[in-house]
Amino acid sequence: AQSVTQLDSHVSVSEGTPVLLRCNYSSSYSPSLFWYVQHPNKGLQLLLKYTSAATLVKGINGFEAEFKKSETSFHLTKPSAHMSDAAEYFCVGMDTGRRALTFGSGTRLQVQP
Amino acid sequence: ETGVTQSPTHLIKTRGQQVTLRCSSQSGHNTVSWYQQALGQGPQFIFQYYREEENGRGNFPPRFSGLQFPNYSSELNVNALELDDSALYLCASSLGVDRSYEQYFGPGTRLTVT
Repeated sequence: AQSVTQLDSHVSVSEGTPVLLRCNYSSSYSPSLFWYVQHPNKGLQLLLKYTSAATLVKGINGFEAEFKKSETSFHLTKPSAHMSDAAEYFCVGMDTGRRALTFGSGTRLQVQP
Repeated sequence: ETGVTQSPTHLIKTRGQQVTLRCSSQSGHNTVSWYQQALGQGPQFIFQYYREEENGRGNFPPRFSGLQFPNYSSELNVNALELDDSALYLCASSLGVDRSYEQYFGPGTRLTVT
């Protein structure tokens, strides 16, 4: 089964500065990886997904992630943070056997004015 | 297009009681998955239903059970509630089991067990 590890529980950035949320994965085969965002009192929303078509994946709201097999990483980035980006972000893998999403522990992103 | 809806939004139960949570899938989605999200943690997979049959299960005891109806709506039932069952319960629908990588989540039901 695939597992993901989010390396930071909290990240704080200033508005207009770059965002980097880190995620490592462990898998013995080609993984399916995702980033989801959870705003307070709202459902989880898919930001982007990697399914082996391209290593650089672009998502919604200006986010992108790069799949690096040599580093077993799938870090989420955004060039310029906006106040509305403040939320909980989850790196997610796919347990293809059970067809279930396996979530990391989450990274809370704070954006300072 | 109607998104995934869940009811109720909040619920308070006493230890030992039973609870039923409900979920309506996004239009056209025949696969429903349930997740438990404890405070400060990522969601944990409970089980998945496809065409009214359980199609996969996480590490949850049998007192967590479910149903899926012909209209693809779903229920999560929890018997003999324990304090540790307090969590946000999320329902997610997808367009078939082979599209389980693309799940659409409802806002969740927050269950408090006292």
